[in-house]
Amino acid sequence: GAVVSQHPSRVICKSGTSVKIECRSLDFQATTMFWYRQFPKQSLMLMATSNEGSKATYEQGVEKDKFLINHASLTLSTLTVTSAHPEDSSFYICSASSGAGGGEQYFGPGTRLTVT
Amino acid sequence: LAKTTQPISMDSYEGQEVNITCSHNNIATNDYITWYQQFPSQGPRFIIQGYKTKVTNEVASLFIPADRKSSTLSLPRVSLSDTAVYYCLVGDVPGGGYNKLIFGAGTRLAVHP
Repeated sequence: GAVVSQHPSRVICKSGTSVKIECRSLDFQATTMFWYRQFPKQSLMLMATSNEGSKATYEQGVEKDKFLINHASLTLSTLTVTSAHPEDSSFYICSASSGAGGGEQYFGPGTRLTVT
Repeated sequence: LAKTTQPISMDSYEGQEVNITCSHNNIATNDYITWYQQFPSQGPRFIIQGYKTKVTNEVASLFIPADRKSSTLSLPRVSLSDTAVYYCLVGDVPGGGYNKLIFGAGTRLAVHP
């Protein structure tokens, strides 16, 4: 199946700093990518839909100025957590769709963010 | 998007067959049913999808009754490595596609030796 990678796999940062997470589709082009957040023992929560060449669409309650999303190419989307705080500590997962007109979504391995 | 309801948790033993049922009473005519598996600290992994009747692949079977208001994921002869959270999702594009996926609570399966 198609492969989606994320970098870094885990990151620890200090409160107030910004962290960038990359999501790459390695063997296919992804017009649309999605970003999720998952707290311990909870389900995935969709944060935003990232569209190549246009602004991301954020879910209700997700601050677009805090979680900056850039989808500059068909294989790369980035999520930047700005001015991170301990409550932003979470597991961030991206997904990408492989085919025109639909097709399965493939998920990345996730990025563990810890804000101290 | 149709809401789904699954048992919060299930326990089984190695070698047994496990059936996880998902209710989706408001499923629309165009909706497909997709199941994902997630291990701790990993992204979800596609298991199987279907529209009606029965679908089988190398890892699981999916049973969908005629009214499509529920579906059952069947895992034959589970092993310890099948311990994971299983999510049932419905949507009008097979496997999700470009549509956003809304995850429910999932079913936490624990397989014991």
